[in-house]
This record gives sequence, C-alpha cells and structure tokens, in this order.
Amino acid sequence: QLVLTQSPSASASLGASVKLTCTLSSGHSSYAIAWHQQQPEKGPRYLMKLNSDGSHSKGDGIPDRFSGSSSGAERYLTISSLQSEDEADYYCQTWGTGIRGVFGGGTKLTVL
Amino acid sequence: EVQLVESGGGLVQPGGSLRLSCAASGFTFSSYEMNWVRQAPGKGLEWVSYISSSGSTIYYADSVKGRFTISRDNAKNSLYLQMNSLRAEDTAVYYCARARYSYGLIYFDYWGQGTLVTVSS
Repeated sequence: QLVLTQSPSASASLGASVKLTCTLSSGHSSYAIAWHQQQPEKGPRYLMKLNSDGSHSKGDGIPDRFSGSSSGAERYLTISSLQSEDEADYYCQTWGTGIRGVFGGGTKLTVL
Repeated sequence: EVQLVESGGGLVQPGGSLRLSCAASGFTFSSYEMNWVRQAPGKGLEWVSYISSSGSTIYYADSVKGRFTISRDNAKNSLYLQMNSLRAEDTAVYYCARARYSYGLIYFDYWGQGTLVTVSS
C-alpha cells in the first residue's frame, strides 16, 4: 500500500537550515512527490515537485532557499536561511493507481 | 493570477446535505484537472475527489464514495462537491486544488483558501 511517512515535528534556529524527510512505502521508491507548505490559519501552498532522481521544479514565487533532493525511498525538503515565516506545517503528497491522492501526515516546523 | 475561491460551507445536521462550489479564475479552467482536499480540525490533509478536465474521469476516496459527487461546469469556470448523508467525521475545511500531471504524478499546484463544513446536531 502506498504510504508517505513524515516526522511529526522538527525545529531549527532562525537563519539556520533544516532538512525535512518524506519516506515512500516499500515498493514505491521510484515515485515522485510534491511538497506543500501550510502556514498557520492559511490554505496550503505548493512548493515543488520532486522526482526520484532529485530533480525538482518549484512553484511560482518560491524562494531559492527551498530545495529538494532524493535518496532511495526518501524525499527531502531543505530550507536554508530559516525565516520566521517558514514556521508552518509541511506535507508531502503523491498519487497512486489505487488509492489515488496520498498525503503524508505532515511535519510541524518550529523556528527557534 | 490564479485564484480559487470556495463557498457553500456551513453547519449541517448529521444525515444532511451540502453543496460546495469553487470559482476559478486566472487560467483556462477547462484545461485543468481539479480536486477537493479536506482537513479536519487539528489534523492533516486528506484527498477527497478528482475530476478530469472534461469531467469524464472521476475518482473518490473510500471515505466519501457513494455519498459525495464531484462535478464541474467549464462554461462557468466552476467546480462543485455535492455532499450527502453527512457524518460528524466529515467536519473539515474543504479546499479545491488545481492539478497538474507530470511523469506519473498528479499534484496540486494551486489551492483555494478553504470553506468550513461542520456536521453537528
């Protein structure tokens, strides 16, 4: 079954970098995913599409501080030079042939 | 500028019905697949339903299959979600989201601000 696993929380200091992880379930390591950001009390915002080879394409207006990478079944979102507005929930998302739309449980990022 | 504006949410009793709408602007609506995604209070995102650009292909999450109906009117640049037999667990903010397709992945590149549906007696 297609499942995306994310750590519930992460934290990093203002100005530092943080790497969030999304893990694809067994047998699905070739799947591409998308990363979405949800700031408090707002709707989600598309950040980027991330392929299994690490290539990625970002949404309109997404700063260069946001980047993606891949290794095996892991998909990463790296945010550098953390700013206060980066404090948000981050969701990975993919699409399956059976279950269709799939989201990870989300990672709540705290900027210290 | 792409804009998606949901409406139609509100308080409804268990077993009741509600119809959500999503008004799209800033892009050629008839060329894009669309989705509904929901978020229960304090919870994560849950995909609800998909409709192809022509409306000929539709998918539903198991949790809503047989109770919800997605539709679109390309002449009115609008997406709809008819929700019947509503349950307390359907309480959530409902988002419409534009979909893109690339190398086997359908992903959501624009989202609305959401409309709250509360199912309670």
